[in-house]
Amino acid sequence: KAGVTQTPRYLIKTRGQQVTLSCSPISGHRSVSWYQQTPGQGLQFLFEYFSETQRNKGNFPGRFSGRQFSNSRSEMNVSTLELGDSALYLCASSQQRGPQETQYFGPGTRLLVL
Amino acid sequence: GIQVEQSPPDLILQEGANSTLRCNFSDSVNNLQWFHQNPWGQLINLFYIPSGTKQNGRLSATTVATERYSLLYISSSQTTDSGVYFCAVDGDSSYKLIFGSGTRLLVRP
Repeated sequence: KAGVTQTPRYLIKTRGQQVTLSCSPISGHRSVSWYQQTPGQGLQFLFEYFSETQRNKGNFPGRFSGRQFSNSRSEMNVSTLELGDSALYLCASSQQRGPQETQYFGPGTRLLVL
Repeated sequence: GIQVEQSPPDLILQEGANSTLRCNFSDSVNNLQWFHQNPWGQLINLFYIPSGTKQNGRLSATTVATERYSLLYISSSQTTDSGVYFCAVDGDSSYKLIFGSGTRLLVRP
């Protein structure tokens, strides 16, 4: 079974632009979560989607948004990019929604904002 | 919210040595996972272990939930074990993982 895939793998943008990242979960997995990893803040939870609905959101500004499609694929969008948005963005999927579900991570999208 | 602390922050080993990584958490947990982040950034699942002991080859993990800690043991380390090891928990059924700051392991040949 294929793992979690994320596209693109690398991205360079300039301040003020917007960006869309894509995540395809493991086949049969219905829950998708997004995390941001930076050297200063470590790994932080962004949001979680299940059944095309955002179920949980981390402490990030409204410039960060996302959605989930009927096939469980998810996208996240960052508008009006800032230098501090440079990070590794990781997507994780789990079979169902629940605190005891094992989460599997994709390879990440490395975003550089200039 | 729940706090997760990992120690040591950095560890350098010679190939073939054994090591123990520790994860302390401040409250009861429903989910605890250990991950290895490879040099390309991907988080590789090692164990789902909110309690008890598991083994997978040269790696094993033990979580003592009542004392709020988990240990990851690496035996006969290899250079490919290098990377950052993260412990992550879900403590309040919030359906999100809270990560520790990681242990950076370097295994020298």
